[in-house]
Amino acid sequence: SQQGEEDPQALSIQEGENATMNCSYKTSINNLQWYRQNSGRGLVHLILIRSNEREKHSGRLRVTLDTSKKSSSLLITASRAADTASYFCATVFSGNTGKLIFGQGTTLQVKP
Amino acid sequence: DTGVSQNPRHKITKRGQNVTFRCDPISEHNRLYWYRQTLGQGPEFLTYFQNEAQLEKSRLLSDRFSAERPKGSFSTLEIQRTEQGDSAMYLCASSIDTGDPPLHFGNGTRLTVT
Repeated sequence: SQQGEEDPQALSIQEGENATMNCSYKTSINNLQWYRQNSGRGLVHLILIRSNEREKHSGRLRVTLDTSKKSSSLLITASRAADTASYFCATVFSGNTGKLIFGQGTTLQVKP
Repeated sequence: DTGVSQNPRHKITKRGQNVTFRCDPISEHNRLYWYRQTLGQGPEFLTYFQNEAQLEKSRLLSDRFSAERPKGSFSTLEIQRTEQGDSAMYLCASSIDTGDPPLHFGNGTRLTVT
């Protein structure tokens, strides 16, 4: 079964707006990663945040992690039409190495 | 770095037939993963290898599924006696085995069982 749940399932915004996606998980983790998938393609790694980190930035991406609430959020600022894709969070359980468990994903549409 | 390569890109087969997919990981990557993804869902873990050793196999995976990585390089995923429920995108990914490595995915093999 999947580890994470993502919210919302779908998000539609205008170009230039910010997009926020949330991910919740069930068990203790080593790290949490976000991936992006364009239609019909493989996933591309965006950013990783470790369990002892609270916030991380990469370009227009900002990720937060709240281990007490077992949740993470991905913020994409100043969105572009090219950001249209599905976004997945994925976790590595504590005490586990290697196996990445993915959430159900958020489908983002950015309208030009 | 030529990326992770998967073949074929598409496979259409009749129910009951066997199919085999191939994955060529990034050359210096020790770990290789197989995932399955159905429409509107996230990738579901199937199995992964460290070099040629299969370290874990999902309990959801029936005995009809088998994966190999004989020389620690490319991998094959075979599905025997395919069923319509096997229709999905099969994704392969690879990574190094130190630190917190990101997974590098191929573009997948889309299987349609008729």
